[in-house]
Order: sequence, then C-alpha cells, then structure tokens
Amino acid sequence: QQQVKQSPQSLIVQKGGISIINCAYENTAFDYFPWYQQFPGKGPALLIAIRPDVSEKKEGRFTISFNKSAKQFSLHIMDSQPGDSATYFCAASRRGQETSGSRLTFGEGTQLTVNP
Amino acid sequence: DARVTQTPRHKVTEMGQEVTMRCQPILGHNTVFWYRQTMMQGLELLAYFRNRAPLDDSGMPKDRFSAEMPDATLATLKIQPSEPRDSAVYFCASGLGTSGRSPKTQYFGPGTRLLVL
Repeated sequence: QQQVKQSPQSLIVQKGGISIINCAYENTAFDYFPWYQQFPGKGPALLIAIRPDVSEKKEGRFTISFNKSAKQFSLHIMDSQPGDSATYFCAASRRGQETSGSRLTFGEGTQLTVNP
Repeated sequence: DARVTQTPRHKVTEMGQEVTMRCQPILGHNTVFWYRQTMMQGLELLAYFRNRAPLDDSGMPKDRFSAEMPDATLATLKIQPSEPRDSAVYFCASGLGTSGRSPKTQYFGPGTRLLVL
C-alpha cells in the first residue's frame, strides 16, 4: 500500500526555471514531511522539511508548500541549476510516537534534470 | 565531519551465498535504519533499531534476512541464502531520537550495492 504518491516520475527543466514536484499522502496521522535529495551513487540527504501547522517553508531556493485539507505538499526549486540535478524523494511520518507508524514512508522519487 | 559508513560499498555474489553488510552509525545516534532501494520498489524500510533493540523489522523477509546491533557502533544486515531478487542498494541511516520520538533527520550512508548472480 503506497501511502505517499509522488509525481512526476521525471522532470526536465531549463537552467533558471522553476522545478515543481508534488506529493499526496493518505494517512492523516502524518505530522512530519521531509524532502530528501539523492545524487547518483550517494545516499539520500535531508533537504528541507515541514510540519503541518504551517502552509509554507522556504530555505534559500527551496520551498515546501503544504495543503493540509488536500493532503498534498510540494517542493518548488526556484532558479533551478544544473547542480540541482538529482533524484528527489518526499516522505512522511508520524513522529509523535515511537512505533512502527513513526517510520518514514517515502514517495517513489522524481528524477530532476536541469539543462544548462 | 561525522557520517554514516557502510561496508562493503559493492558486493557481487552467487545465489545461495551468505551476504553480510555492515554499518557504523554516527557516534551518539541512538536509532539505526536499514533501507533497500530498487528501481521497482523505491526506498523500502527493512528494519530499525532504537538503543540497539529492534523496534520494527516488519519490512524484512524473515526467512532469509536478519539484522542485529552487536554494539552501539555496529549494525549488520545479513542475507542467507541470497537470491537474485535481493539485488539492490542497501542503505543504513542513523539519527537521534529523543523523548520517545523518532529522529527528525535521518543521515544516510553511501549504501552497499549488491548484485546476486
């Protein structure tokens, strides 16, 4: 059962453009939504994360938009650069309690290519 | 520069052989995760440990996989016997959980790329 669905599967953007990746979740108990960035041959690394009590979080060129009622959140990369080319994973978890439900559930991943 | 280390980085083996993957979590982290990444299934959680005790291993095929933490600086994932369908990249991640909460951030190692022929 895929609790976090991510789209698109792949994305090609020109340098300077905006990259947008979307995720939708099912479990309303999720209370933590991180995005991970993975370069080829490397492990995923936390990029930015949001809690459901805010609708937007911005860190540099990266912004998460969160829509609690729609159970959707998205990553926006402004002024996309070739160095941003990587696979991006959204994830969700319930951090409030250390149970099996607190595991990170990952989306399927989006392969982003930023052309120079 | 603290980081999670994993060995070996690459492993090629034949079907039926035992495979052992090792992970050294970041010093001081009390939670360790094992993930498997494939093109078809994406990132799957296999098991995770808190203070060396297994908290959840429901994602792991029990008949052939086993995960342990002999001490706070070493986590192992074993496959016996290995099968071609086990071919994947296996990631270890560690984090610091506090007050009964799961870690806010998981720090991933570079992974072990396993190929079972």
